[in-house]
Parts: sequence; C-alpha cells; structure tokens
Amino acid sequence: DAGVIQSPRHEVTEMGQEVTLRCKPISGHDYLFWYRQTMMRGLELLIYFNNNVPIDDSGMPEDRFSAKMPNASFSTLKIQPSEPRDSAVYFCASTSSFAEAFFGQGTRLTVV
Amino acid sequence: AQSVAQPEDQVNVAEGNPLTVKCTYSVSGNPYLFWYVQYPNRGLQFLLKYITGDNLVKGSYGFEAEFNKSQTSFHLKKPSALVSDSALYFCAVRDTGSGAGSYQLTFGKGTKLSVIP
Repeated sequence: DAGVIQSPRHEVTEMGQEVTLRCKPISGHDYLFWYRQTMMRGLELLIYFNNNVPIDDSGMPEDRFSAKMPNASFSTLKIQPSEPRDSAVYFCASTSSFAEAFFGQGTRLTVV
Repeated sequence: AQSVAQPEDQVNVAEGNPLTVKCTYSVSGNPYLFWYVQYPNRGLQFLLKYITGDNLVKGSYGFEAEFNKSQTSFHLKKPSALVSDSALYFCAVRDTGSGAGSYQLTFGKGTKLSVIP
C-alpha cells in the first residue's frame, strides 16, 4: 500500500478563495482524521470519521471549514472563504480500530 | 477529557549519550499510548505503541518506551543517541474508555530533540 496520500502537497491561495484538500486513506482502514499543525497551537484534531460517518467535528474552527467522506477511499477538507490565519500544514491520517494512525505527508497551505 | 503533556519543548543530548523524552497523560479509562517522530517537511511517522502487556515496549530505530501506570507516564528512551535522531517527537494517547466507535487520539505539543555531534 502506498500509505495515506494527500494532495496537493503545497497550496498558495488568495484570501477569500475556496480551498479543497484531498486525502486517500489506506485501504481497509475505517477511521480517517484531519489534523492541522501550526507553530502556535501544535497538532490539532479538526474532525474524524468512522466508516465514512463524521464522529467528532468539535475541532473544526469555524463554519468556513467543512469535511466530507463520500466513500471509504476519499475525503476532502474544504475552507471557504479562506483567510490568512488558516495558513498551516494540514494532515490526514487513517487507522483501524486497534492500530496506530498512519499519516500522510501533509498539505502546506498558505493564504495570502 | 484526555490530555497529553510533554514538559520539555527541547531536549539536547550529545551523540552517543542516552536520551529521554518525557510524556505524561491523563485519561478516564485505559490508555493506548503512542510515540511519533516528525522530520522537517514530513508527516508523522509511527515509532512505537503500548496497548497492553509488557510495560517496556520496543520500537523502530532502537527506541523504547516504558509505560508507568502509577505515574501516568510513557517516556521515550534510547540508549545511544545519533545525530540522525534529531527531530520533533510527539506523544499521543487514545482513551479506550471513550466509547464504542470512538477514537479520540490526542497529541502532546511535541519535543524537539537535538543530538549534538
């Protein structure tokens, strides 16, 4: 398996634009997580899914953020409209019930 | 609510010396504990985990960690540090008492390890 695949690796966008981050989890994993990493706040859990169903989205900072998992092999995190303070590295991770989480390489988002 | 504390933002150690990166946790049920390492511009890589059984767990690259339930600690150790071990290390906890279907994985703020040649 190629591991958790995220795209794009880097994204630079202007304030107010819509940004969509994509994630393909490891096949067979039934949990998928979205994390955000910044120098100030470290690694924050935004939302996680179990069997494609959102379980906890309490970490989603604002209504501008939304996440979907239409099937077991794909998830998106959307920011609309984007703001400079959204600049961060966004990680997707996946796991199965009793295992460790595996992380993607991350998407570095810069909002100017 | 579960939490993880890594009391040291940075740890410096000379190459060849033993290293310890500290981690304490708080959960309501039994913990699953994990250590991850992050190299610059990379994702987090799994090092080792404690689920149950022997309190001393061994992981990748010669790292090990000891689960201490009474002290609620899970310190990461290595007998002899390498310059290539320099990276950011994260401790994480999953609370197994948080309900069926739940997988609350909480990370500490990370500890930057610098191994000095």
